[in-house]
Amino acid sequence: NAGVTQTPKFRILKIGQSMTLQCTQDMNHNYMYWYRQDPGMGLKLIYYSVGAGITDKGEVPNGYNVSRSTTEDFPLRLELAAPSQTSVYFCAGSPPRNSGANYGYTFGSGTRLTVV
Amino acid sequence: DQQVKQNSPSLSVQEGRISILNCDYTNSMFDYFLWYKKYPAEGPTFLISISSIKDKNEDGRFTVFLNKSAKHLSLHIVPSQPGDSAVYFCAATIKNSGGSNYKLTFGKGTLLTVNP
Repeated sequence: NAGVTQTPKFRILKIGQSMTLQCTQDMNHNYMYWYRQDPGMGLKLIYYSVGAGITDKGEVPNGYNVSRSTTEDFPLRLELAAPSQTSVYFCAGSPPRNSGANYGYTFGSGTRLTVV
Repeated sequence: DQQVKQNSPSLSVQEGRISILNCDYTNSMFDYFLWYKKYPAEGPTFLISISSIKDKNEDGRFTVFLNKSAKHLSLHIVPSQPGDSAVYFCAATIKNSGGSNYKLTFGKGTLLTVNP
């Protein structure tokens, strides 16, 4: 059981380039999230999705886009990379709140992105 | 405005002693709290949670205490082990908001070092 898988693990982008951070989960979680973690800071929510075809903005959505065509995949798109987007990105999934689970997220191992 | 605060960036304790990690929150609507543990180059992993209807939850060496009047929670680790050395994040959510999803608000984290 792989859980939540993120690719790539590391990436260096030049300013203005674009890329897609991939996230796949095999836990059949309806809910998925993208967070970024800057040094010395907590995790900040970028976008989230409550199911295929449904996405919504989080706390820091500017400069990012997402899509959710399937339950399993939740890619994060950076269209015009900026140095301010240098961060570690975490994807996570969670079961519905009424599933009886502990409401803990399952996180991927992260993508470390540097924009130069 | 930080709604979840971990005011101690780091904590160092001796193996076998108690580790106490603290967390304060400002949003009185939060009704569910979680602790996550994060090792370098890995995603956060769920550790323990507590509902606002309780004031204590215990799981092995880990106990979380909640003081709603003070808007304060703490994580106790007894006895501390070198393998507990990691960054610990406090998180909060409004579980009973009536919506079908939930979003976690994270603190900045506390780096715990357990010395042999």
